Amino acid sequence: AQKVTQAQTEISVVEKEDVTLDCVYETRDTTYYLFWYKQPPSGELVFLIRRNSFDEQNEISGRYSWNFQKSTSSFNFTITASQVVDSAVYFCALSEAYTDKLIFGTGTRLQVFP
Amino acid sequence: GAGVSQSPRYKVAKRGQDVALRCDPISGHVSLFWYQQALGQGPEFLTYFQNEAQLDKSGLPSDRFFAERPEGSVSTLKIQRTQQEDSAVYLCASGSDRVDTIYFGEGSWLTVV
Repeated sequence: AQKVTQAQTEISVVEKEDVTLDCVYETRDTTYYLFWYKQPPSGELVFLIRRNSFDEQNEISGRYSWNFQKSTSSFNFTITASQVVDSAVYFCALSEAYTDKLIFGTGTRLQVFP
Repeated sequence: GAGVSQSPRYKVAKRGQDVALRCDPISGHVSLFWYQQALGQGPEFLTYFQNEAQLDKSGLPSDRFFAERPEGSVSTLKIQRTQQEDSAVYLCASGSDRVDTIYFGEGSWLTVV
């Protein structure tokens, strides 16, 4: 069965600290996609990144970076030099090939204090 | 509009009342999804349309939930005889291609009292 686990319910940091959000997934498929979304208080889900299961190369986008490790079924997300505007709930999600539905984790609420 | 638009943004319904939630996808988007997000939880898949065809409704929790997209554009999620456990945010998403290019609306917040 497909499952996404985000064990960290809430994280609080002070501005400029680095923070890593953990994501562990379960799937029987060899082809799948992993996502991270940001949900600010307004409620909409903002797409951050998509990775496919055949590409384990880490990715960096500005202050954001992602570490995909198939050996541990993890897809962790790091924010470097956090800012107050990063405060939101972050969701990791999984989609298997040939389906069009996303399986979400329960989310991690990040609070960045000035 | 530029994004996915949902209405109403907030709805309070008495238990037993029927509700209808509307989703206006981004113009030209073929795919449309509905998700349900309970408080403190991640979104859960309800149903998926490709144009007017409902290709997957495996996530609808009961036969009280019904979704339609008759002309392949606007979609309505209808909940009959609402119950307290239906209280959640209902998110709509649309996309031009596969799941990796979908855009979410801000959701309709339903509270059943």
